[in-house]
Amino acid sequence: GAGVSQSPRYKVTKRGQDVALRCDPISGHVSLYWYRQALGQGPEFLTYFNYEAQQDKSGLPNDRFSAERPEGSISTLTIQRTEQRDSAMYRCASSLRDRVNQSPLHFGNGTRLTVT
Amino acid sequence: DQQVKQNSPSLSVQEGRISILNCDYTNSMFDYFLWYKKYPAEGPTFLISISSIKDKNEDGRFTVFLNKSAKHLSLHIVPSQPGDSAVYFCAAGGPDAGNMLTFGGGTRLMVKP
Repeated sequence: GAGVSQSPRYKVTKRGQDVALRCDPISGHVSLYWYRQALGQGPEFLTYFNYEAQQDKSGLPNDRFSAERPEGSISTLTIQRTEQRDSAMYRCASSLRDRVNQSPLHFGNGTRLTVT
Repeated sequence: DQQVKQNSPSLSVQEGRISILNCDYTNSMFDYFLWYKKYPAEGPTFLISISSIKDKNEDGRFTVFLNKSAKHLSLHIVPSQPGDSAVYFCAAGGPDAGNMLTFGGGTRLMVKP
């Protein structure tokens, strides 16, 4: 497909387990973003990459959260020792250019994470 | 501290009439604003944007107005169609935010046939 692909679509995990969420951006898109969206709220920034370089991780809530994009394409968001408060929709987005005011973000359908 | 607010959680409009969705922001450094539309079970999709050097941008049935002094933007949809029924998010960015967009909480628009 031509859009941003995220997997898995749904993830249910027990508290304390680690999870890895995958994002496959649109081919050729330079920038990749991770956002988190709670029910009834707008997306909240977590981190973003230009190519393989993580440019801003100021939105990551704590050091249990990490992200990588080793080859400048697919990205993985990892949450270690999950807690119930981590339950949310995790959205990935990509954009053609490296400035947010130059090209819009294209969002994937998200991964719904539930921590029991 | 919500820097971008959409104070109306929902809006109902008759088909063919105008829909007006509102958004307020507090950060005077924001200089770029966007509207996204979201259908159920899908990710948000980009609709229209405006730079702070303009006060209006139009794309077909969609027009975004920016009032910098009031720190307010609005999205007008004319005429509204049932397919416009979705959740609409406004978002803002600026030089002090790097490449981060700050989103509002969304407004659910229902267009009745």
